[in-house]
Amino acid sequence: GQNIDQPTEMTATEGAIVQINCTYQTSGFNGLFWYQQHAGEAPTFLSYNVLDGLEEKGRFSSFLSRSKGYSYLLLKELQMKDSASYLCAVRVVYKLSFGAGTTVTVRA
Amino acid sequence: GAGVSQSPSNKVTEKGKDVELRCDPISGHTALYWYRQSLGQGLEFLIYFQGNSAPDKSGLPSDRFSAERTGGSVSTLTIQRTQQEDSAVYLCASSSHSSPSSYEQYFGPGTRLTVT
Repeated sequence: GQNIDQPTEMTATEGAIVQINCTYQTSGFNGLFWYQQHAGEAPTFLSYNVLDGLEEKGRFSSFLSRSKGYSYLLLKELQMKDSASYLCAVRVVYKLSFGAGTTVTVRA
Repeated sequence: GAGVSQSPSNKVTEKGKDVELRCDPISGHTALYWYRQSLGQGLEFLIYFQGNSAPDKSGLPSDRFSAERTGGSVSTLTIQRTQQEDSAVYLCASSSHSSPSSYEQYFGPGTRLTVT
């Protein structure tokens, strides 16, 4: 089976930085996705890591270490609109297995 | 272009009734997925369609659940004899799978199913 763990909740202040960790144990690995999901809405794509290292995209960065089964999503210069659930998902061939999601609350 | 659409957006049904949920994927996307998201849970894979290949039904939780995809486009997820534990948001996603970098899945807004 697939096991993907991420913290349930995190709280941070507007303008701050938050790092959401994701650890995984899966039968195979072809890549790791991060999705953002606002309450009552569809998940939207944030990043995709296939190789080890850091991928930076504006205020969001994602890191992957395949040997450690570990990824993190870094959110910088937090804004109120970043309050959402962040989903880590591991791709094995065509399937995505999702973690339960991390709810980030940004406070003024 | 239009994104993935799903209907209905909300469905309330009585226990024991059958329901049909519809998904219209992005035009040209050959891959289509159904997921279930229960409160506080991650997305649970249900079924996968790719072109004309046999679907991967390994995630369907019971034989009360079935899905079909007609003409390689629209898909319908059917739940027979609904139970209260079927209450969840059902999400559909499509993907082009045209290259290794295009496995990103585009999600629809979901159907919130409530079984009373």
